[in-house]
Amino acid sequence: DTGVSQDPRHKITKRGQNVTFRCDPISEHNRLYWYRQTLGQGPEFLTYFQNEAQLEKSRLLSDRFSAERPKGSFSTLEIQRTEQGDSAMYLCASSTLLVLGGASYEQYFGPGTRLTVT
Amino acid sequence: GDSVTQMEGPVTLSEEACLTINCTYTATGYPSLFWYVQYPGEGLQLLLKATKADDKGSNKGFEATYRKETTSFHLEKGSVQVSDSAVYFCALSQQAGTALIFGKGTTLSVSS
Repeated sequence: DTGVSQDPRHKITKRGQNVTFRCDPISEHNRLYWYRQTLGQGPEFLTYFQNEAQLEKSRLLSDRFSAERPKGSFSTLEIQRTEQGDSAMYLCASSTLLVLGGASYEQYFGPGTRLTVT
Repeated sequence: GDSVTQMEGPVTLSEEACLTINCTYTATGYPSLFWYVQYPGEGLQLLLKATKADDKGSNKGFEATYRKETTSFHLEKGSVQVSDSAVYFCALSQQAGTALIFGKGTTLSVSS
């Protein structure tokens, strides 16, 4: 049973460059989420998908950020023209509807991609 | 907007001591409440949850009760172990399957 995987695990880039991260959710999970976590803070929601549809985007997701899930399986998060303030851990999570004991969507998190912008 | 406030850490305890990590929330309606744990070098894991007022979530000896009147969801354990050393996050969600709103996290360090 493989969990949520993210690639790369670490990325160092220079300010102004574009970066793209990939997330592979747990197989058959129809919801996929992106969060950002900075040092000493809890994760902050960025966006989530149900299948290939992007259902919600946070105000944190500026125009430089774009997320896709073209076939309803893996997802990519791209940051254009990176800034030093983008340095953070980017977390991906996935979930599916569980009906046992009442409907719920438990979110399973990946290990994250740590981005450092120099 | 909705928010979660949890006690500042780090919390340092000896093995077998009692643990309480305070968590309060601000939200409209009746959110679901969660505790997530992050062990060193690992990803976030759901520890326990409660979906309505007065529900008690429990797992691995940890408990938390959803208190609507005090808007709280404090995490408790009667006897901590060294293996409980981790960062604990309180979180809420307004609707199943939507965004989680997290607190800043509380680091717990347990020594033998």
